Amino acid sequence: EIVLTQSPATLSLSPGERATLSCRASQNINSFLAWYQQKPGQAPRLVIHDASNRATGIPARFSGNGSGTDFTLTINSLEPEDFAVYYCQQRRSWPPLTFGRGTKVEIK
Amino acid sequence: QARLVESGGGLVQPGGSLRLSCEASGFTFTDFIMSWVRQAPGKGLEWLSSVTSTAASKYSADSVKGRFSISRDNTKNSTYLQMDALGVEDTAIYYCARVRKVAYFDLWGRGILVSVSS
Repeated sequence: EIVLTQSPATLSLSPGERATLSCRASQNINSFLAWYQQKPGQAPRLVIHDASNRATGIPARFSGNGSGTDFTLTINSLEPEDFAVYYCQQRRSWPPLTFGRGTKVEIK
Repeated sequence: QARLVESGGGLVQPGGSLRLSCEASGFTFTDFIMSWVRQAPGKGLEWLSSVTSTAASKYSADSVKGRFSISRDNTKNSTYLQMDALGVEDTAIYYCARVRKVAYFDLWGRGILVSVSS
């Protein structure tokens, strides 16, 4: 099973700042990584797939990077609606499909 | 507009069973793999099961294998999760999700709560 480790657990930032979230895989997953955003009381929402491709309707301030075992999600100039929990997920080797434990981006 | 709506959740005693349903609308159901993902209170996301478009193949996490069974009825645009031998550790919000590009979840239902308690 591929384990995804996300860091930091919590990121405290102000609106307008840049957020950089990390996801590290326990083995090579090529570019088969997605990022999801989840707000309280809501279902997750696909943000990035295949490491760097924005999903439909996702603003350009969201970008993904990485391949192999190290990946980042960057949110440029945080908007109030961006404060949420972000999960990474791999599809390189499944079953099982696995998620990271999440990074909470909170308002400082 | 594409949409997924779950139903069938609720309170059940340990050892009991529940069958969750997920009705899809607004897209061609038979074009997609469908999955179930759950989230325990205050915890992260856990993939449970996936079923291919024709139901020819099904995949499940070890944590639910032998207890949970995924299925679909393409005539009803619906997918199901039969859950047996439920334990308190199965208490969670259960999400139905549409799968894009093999195994990414690009459309989610609102989720439904399953509580296992005596």
